[in-house]
Amino acid sequence: EVQLVESGGGLVQPGRSLKLSCAASGFTFSDYNMAWVRQAPKKGLEWVATIIYDGSRTYYRDSVKGRFTISRDNAKSTLYLQMDSLRSEDTATYYCATQRVLQWCSDYWGQGVMVTVSS
Amino acid sequence: DIVMTQTPSSQAVSAGEKVTMSCKSSQSLLYSENKKNYLAWYQQKPGQSPKLLISWASTRESGVPDRFIGSGSGTDFTLTISSVQAEDLAVYYCEQYYDTPLTFGSGTKLEIK
Repeated sequence: EVQLVESGGGLVQPGRSLKLSCAASGFTFSDYNMAWVRQAPKKGLEWVATIIYDGSRTYYRDSVKGRFTISRDNAKSTLYLQMDSLRSEDTATYYCATQRVLQWCSDYWGQGVMVTVSS
Repeated sequence: DIVMTQTPSSQAVSAGEKVTMSCKSSQSLLYSENKKNYLAWYQQKPGQSPKLLISWASTRESGVPDRFIGSGSGTDFTLTISSVQAEDLAVYYCEQYYDTPLTFGSGTKLEIK
């Protein structure tokens, strides 16, 4: 059974940093691209970033480029999102999700972790 | 960026009825080399994570009931639920994965009368 378990969320002040983790199990982690997708309270879904299966390339939405860093450790089957210079508009539930290599829709999702940016 | 427009924003139907919802993209999602439409549909039930229902505009994921039907090509897509069940109460999102940034529609909320 595929499992994705996010952790590391919480309340953080604007301008500070936070690092999310996503522990994967039940599938061959290194065979999949991985993504972070977020959802602000009562809002829709917003893609944040994708990392290629071998970590060779990363892709970001413009609003987080230069502030967020997606990374992965295939030996630990873990995905990360380093979030720096956080803004109030980054407040959201962050989901990690698998993406097939040739098909970038997200087929498995974690339960999500809440990040609140507020003073 | 490719803009995804979903209509209606909400819809209320009775169990057993057929429902259709629309998703339009600001540019074609049909890739000429493989003739595939890079369009997915997701279901998000209250308090849950999204679930992938359909990829390539019309391919149902394993385990998804056959009452969920995806159709369309190019810029116009439709999700049809042939006979709505009470458990289909959810918000449905379309997503284009033709190009980054990947973009979602704003969702159609399905309510059961």
